Amino acid sequence: QVQLQESGPGLVKPSETLSLTCTVTGGSINTYYWSWVRQPPGKQLEWIGYVYYNGYTEYNFSLKSRVTMSVDTSNNQFSLKLSSVTAADTALYYCARGGIADRRGAFDYWGQGTLVTVST
Amino acid sequence: DIQMAQSPSSVSASVGDRVTITCRASQGLSNWLAWYQQKPGKAPKFLIYAAFNLQSGVPSRFSGSGSGTDFTLTISSLQPEDFGTYYCQQTHSFPYTFGQGTKLEIK
Repeated sequence: QVQLQESGPGLVKPSETLSLTCTVTGGSINTYYWSWVRQPPGKQLEWIGYVYYNGYTEYNFSLKSRVTMSVDTSNNQFSLKLSSVTAADTALYYCARGGIADRRGAFDYWGQGTLVTVST
Repeated sequence: DIQMAQSPSSVSASVGDRVTITCRASQGLSNWLAWYQQKPGKAPKFLIYAAFNLQSGVPSRFSGSGSGTDFTLTISSLQPEDFGTYYCQQTHSFPYTFGQGTKLEIK
């Protein structure tokens, strides 16, 4: 059974960089697309972007200038960096596996989510 | 960005009822649409992909239909465990976008 687990600081200061890592167990990181999705408190889901196992990335245009994603296939991990954060970046951050073929773009496995608060 | 609009925003129904949630896209998606169920404090659960394909392990009382801009999620006979918030997501083009959610409560 594939499992995903987010890790990283729960508190980030304004203007600093948010950094999260997702560890994948129970399956290989190869082949699939690995996404980050966030959900501000009480609001809807927002796709941040994905990294393919070969390092190819696609980002949400609204965040593109501040987002960097990378993959570490040797450790079955992928990461998110979001720079110059503000209070608007406070959210529950999920990592998720993106499907292929008919499941393209859909997320079949999710981490439990990690709350990141931007505050002094 | 493709905008996704769900209706209703909330619904209350009884066990055994048939429940329908609709999702409308601002542009045609062909059938590139997914549905999720989210319970409080939990990650979304993947239900349906490509508009009408049931993910493995999802009860057959769930079904999806539609194409183009108008889609429907139907629960044929509501069960107590079906409470939660349901989201549609377009997987047609970047950036992937979600609907605002439909909160389903059990009477």
